[in-house]
Amino acid sequence: DVQMTQSPSSLSASVGDRVTITCRASQNIDMFLNWYQQKPGKAPNLLIYGVASLQSGVPLRFSGSRSGTDFTLTISSLQPEDFATYFCQQSYTTPWTFGQGTVVEIK
Amino acid sequence: QVQLQESGPGLVKPSETLSLTCSVSGGSINGYFWSWIRQSPGKGLEWIGYKYYSGSTTYNPSLKTRVTMSIDASKNQLSLKLVSMTAADTALYYCARGVRNDGGFYFFDYWGQGAQVTVSS
Repeated sequence: DVQMTQSPSSLSASVGDRVTITCRASQNIDMFLNWYQQKPGKAPNLLIYGVASLQSGVPLRFSGSRSGTDFTLTISSLQPEDFATYFCQQSYTTPWTFGQGTVVEIK
Repeated sequence: QVQLQESGPGLVKPSETLSLTCSVSGGSINGYFWSWIRQSPGKGLEWIGYKYYSGSTTYNPSLKTRVTMSIDASKNQLSLKLVSMTAADTALYYCARGVRNDGGFYFFDYWGQGAQVTVSS
């Protein structure tokens, strides 16, 4: 199975901060990397697919990038509604696998 | 607006079979990969498998011997059966719509709210 390792596991940030979350794949997964946001008591919500394509309705402050097997989710200016847990997921090969999540908390 | 709603027993005894249903409204079953995904504090998010609308299935090898997924297109419903349940199967179970877009990327664009399943005698 492809292991997806996210870092950090949690972070504290303030409104307006630039936030970066990293996800590392244990092997090449090409561009098959998605990001989801999950708020307490809710299902995950798709933010980005194919490394950098924003899902419809997702604010432009979210962006994604890739360097080899390292993937990054960036929130350019953190908003109050962005405090949540973020997961990466690879869809390069089955079984599709998720990172363990990064909790973004209010500083 | 597409909506997914899971239903099933919240409590299952060890060694018994879990049966969950996911009702899809606001959209068709056709054209999509319908997945079940579970989430637990210990294992995080775990993809169980998918059933393509046309019938093919792919299961996670870790659960393959115990899982069956089906679709009733006439009812716009998906079903999950997981046999020989143990405490390790205690989790929040989601159904999710999987899309393969024109670029060839697969992703989950709609999720149900989840059904909590506890395995206990």
